[in-house]
Amino acid sequence: DAGVIQSPRHEVTEMGQEVTLRCKPISGHDYLFWYRQTMMRGLELLIYFNNNVPIDDSGMPEDRFSAKMPNASFSTLKIQPSEPRDSAVYFCASSFFFLMSQGAGTEAFFGQGTRLTVV
Amino acid sequence: ELKVEQNPLFLSMQEGKNYTIYCNYSTTSDRLYWYRQDPGKSLESLFVLLSNGAVKQEGRLMASLDTKARLSTLHITAAVHDLSATYFCAVLSNFGNEKLTFGTGTRLTIIP
Repeated sequence: DAGVIQSPRHEVTEMGQEVTLRCKPISGHDYLFWYRQTMMRGLELLIYFNNNVPIDDSGMPEDRFSAKMPNASFSTLKIQPSEPRDSAVYFCASSFFFLMSQGAGTEAFFGQGTRLTVV
Repeated sequence: ELKVEQNPLFLSMQEGKNYTIYCNYSTTSDRLYWYRQDPGKSLESLFVLLSNGAVKQEGRLMASLDTKARLSTLHITAAVHDLSATYFCAVLSNFGNEKLTFGTGTRLTIIP
């Protein structure tokens, strides 16, 4: 498998424009996560899905942010309108739930990220 | 709210030396992960620790979990330059969700 695939890798946009980030999770994974990474706030979980259903979106900063997962192989994170403070690296990650003799858990695999700059 | 703290935040060490990075968390959990991130790159999974007393080793890195103390350690043995990176611990709460909360990260620089 090619791993988690994100596009675009880099995006520069003007304030007020709509931005759409895309993610293809690893086939067979049933969880998908969107994270944002900045120097000031570190890695923040924005939203996660289980079997295409949004489970927790409490990390989505404002109504300007929305995320969808129309099927098991595709998710989008949209920012409309974008602002300079949205500039960050956005990571998508996917994972699968597993049971082991030592316990149950998940292991998340991250995409390469999208570096967003809003000017 | 689950809080995850790492220390130190920055660490410079000479090649060949040993050191430990600490990860403390604020709520009951027996699911902890360590990741590595190189500058400008993605996060790479290093270890998955799923029970009290779990110990995992890969090369010069060894991770352990003490759920009673709510503490995990990442021990580096005889450091080499290619271990320079930022290391993150991440914790999953035991309370019925898969919300992975990351620590602040430890930026490790190995000096020749």
